[in-house]
Amino acid sequence: AQTVTQSQPEMSVQEAETVTLSCTYDTSESDYYLFWYKQPPSRQMILVIRQEAYKQQNATENRFSVNFQKAAKSFSLKISDSQLGDAAMYFCAYKTRSGNTPLVFGKGTRLSVIA
Amino acid sequence: NAGVTQTPKFRVLKTGQSMTLLCAQDMNHEYMYWYRQDPGMGLRLIHYSVGEGTTAKGEVPDGYNVSRLKKQNFLLGLESAAPSQTSVYFCASSYSWQGNQPQHFGDGTRLSIL
Repeated sequence: AQTVTQSQPEMSVQEAETVTLSCTYDTSESDYYLFWYKQPPSRQMILVIRQEAYKQQNATENRFSVNFQKAAKSFSLKISDSQLGDAAMYFCAYKTRSGNTPLVFGKGTRLSVIA
Repeated sequence: NAGVTQTPKFRVLKTGQSMTLLCAQDMNHEYMYWYRQDPGMGLRLIHYSVGEGTTAKGEVPDGYNVSRLKKQNFLLGLESAAPSQTSVYFCASSYSWQGNQPQHFGDGTRLSIL
């Protein structure tokens, strides 16, 4: 079974600085998707960024980028120029490309942003 | 555009009581999901549905039942609530199972069982 591991339960970053959240996963599949979701105190789950495993280029969305290392099964999220609004729980998630397999979530990393 | 709407947002139950959580989506999505979120556990899939009239068990289905009588609605039922079911419940929907179709989440329901 696929598993997703986020080894950092909590992280903190100074406003305007850069922070990297770690995620590793275990799978025997070769074609899949990886996601980072943000959950602010409002509880809403917001998709931050998505990576397709067959694409070597790392995904980027404004201040958010990933470092996807397929061989190492690593998928870290980098947040540049951190803002107070970035404070939230961040969940890494995995999904095979097809088939009736559900989205698998990590346990989350709580990010605090210090003014 | 409402997206995914969950009702109620908060509820307190006594052990043994029953209740139904309602999820409604207006995006014409085929797939709908119920998750529970517990501290330090991330989101775990309870049940899901791949279309109207069909449901399937997820990772933690015990103690819950679901129904999908209409495409836009997915109901989660607790027949006899237990304190272990105290959690935040999220509903989500997606166009398909394909990984390039992201899941859209509701705002969650905080349920406390006393």
